[in-house]
Amino acid sequence: DAGVIQSPRHEVTEMGQEVTLRCKPISGHNSLFWYRQTMMRGLELLIYFNNNVPIDDSGMPEDRFSAKMPNASFSTLKIQPSEPRDSAVYFCASRNRTGVSYGYTFGSGTRLTVV
Amino acid sequence: DQQVKQNSPSLSVQEGRISILNCDYTNSMFDYFLWYKKYPAEGPTFLISISSIKDKNEDGRFTVFLNKSAKHLSLHIVPSQPGDSAVYFCAASAYNNDMRFGAGTRLTVKP
Repeated sequence: DAGVIQSPRHEVTEMGQEVTLRCKPISGHNSLFWYRQTMMRGLELLIYFNNNVPIDDSGMPEDRFSAKMPNASFSTLKIQPSEPRDSAVYFCASRNRTGVSYGYTFGSGTRLTVV
Repeated sequence: DQQVKQNSPSLSVQEGRISILNCDYTNSMFDYFLWYKKYPAEGPTFLISISSIKDKNEDGRFTVFLNKSAKHLSLHIVPSQPGDSAVYFCAASAYNNDMRFGAGTRLTVKP
């Protein structure tokens, strides 16, 4: 299993530009999560999906952020327009939502820098 | 709203000694707790977990203790090794829903 795959690994963009982060969850996993890691707040949950349906997006900081999961094997997190304070590492994670919550499998993250 | 708190941003211990990482939570609905370990440029990886029906879970050098009345859990690493140097995240979930993480503690184990 290739694990959770995120792309790109690094993204540098100018303020005001649109940024799209991508995630491919583990095959068979039916829950997908987007987290943002910052020094001050650690890992913040932005949004999660169960069976491709958004369940809780209360962590999305502003309307500039949006996420989609058009099918079970792909999700995107979009920031439009991007701002310097969006600079962080964004992680995608997936799990099989059955039984006990043994935890998620995380991707390697996308390091976003907005200049 | 930080429902899971790790108040120590960093911890330094000598190789062979015990490392104790602490975590507090505020949501009494949490029923499952986990610790994740993160190396630079990698995603967090699952380390150990504990259900709210237990107060201790041990896996090799790693032991997690849960004190529900105090809403506190801790991770003990004995003996600590230089390879344990990483950022450790405490996490909690309620009824198998989404997981909430603390801010992390950077552990440095000195040879």
